[in-house]
Amino acid sequence: NAGVTQTPKFQVLKTGQSMTLQCAQDMNHNSMYWYRQDPGMGLRLIYYSASEGTTDKGEVPNGYNVSRLNKREFSLRLESAAPSQTSVYFCASTPFGGVGEKLFFGSGTQLSVL
Amino acid sequence: GNSVTQMEGPVTLSEEAFLTINCTYTATGYPSLFWYVQYPGEGLQLLLKATKADDKGSNKGFEATYRKETTSFHLEKGSVQVSDSAVYFCALTRLNTNAGKSTFGDGTTLTVKP
Repeated sequence: NAGVTQTPKFQVLKTGQSMTLQCAQDMNHNSMYWYRQDPGMGLRLIYYSASEGTTDKGEVPNGYNVSRLNKREFSLRLESAAPSQTSVYFCASTPFGGVGEKLFFGSGTQLSVL
Repeated sequence: GNSVTQMEGPVTLSEEAFLTINCTYTATGYPSLFWYVQYPGEGLQLLLKATKADDKGSNKGFEATYRKETTSFHLEKGSVQVSDSAVYFCALTRLNTNAGKSTFGDGTTLTVKP
């Protein structure tokens, strides 16, 4: 009963380093999302994939890239990490992205950029 | 644009106290409204939702009523438990918008003491 699985759970990077956050869901959902959560703030959408083969920018896409590898997997890449990207990152999915559908979240990746 | 305003926290209550967390929103049309809960170290999970005016969402003793006249969706629980300690997020999704492009409030941290 895995749901949405994110790896890694914790990561520390130096400024300028790159890394990829992995996300996989086993619910056969079509739509997947990446958010960041900063202290005292709500979630902000970075990128999303409404269906396999498509990706679109969200509210805060600068400094990130994504890949929808297949229906199950949606990765987030930081090409050159900056301290401003220190945050908690959440992956989520929904069956079709329809209004009223609930979001299923992973447990998050805590990223620190020094 | 859309916005969600939650009462500022943190909120500290004694067990069995009555809980209200205020949420007001700004959006065009008739958005769907949600409350998500985030327990320590976990991702967000849906607590309840309402998709049209005057609907009441309920789950685990929590309730919220979609009030279009006051653009509010306040969360209430009659008797809180220590296990309700978490961060609560109010969110909305506009009609004809992908579910993941929700607007989230800043979150309200609830601590319940025995």
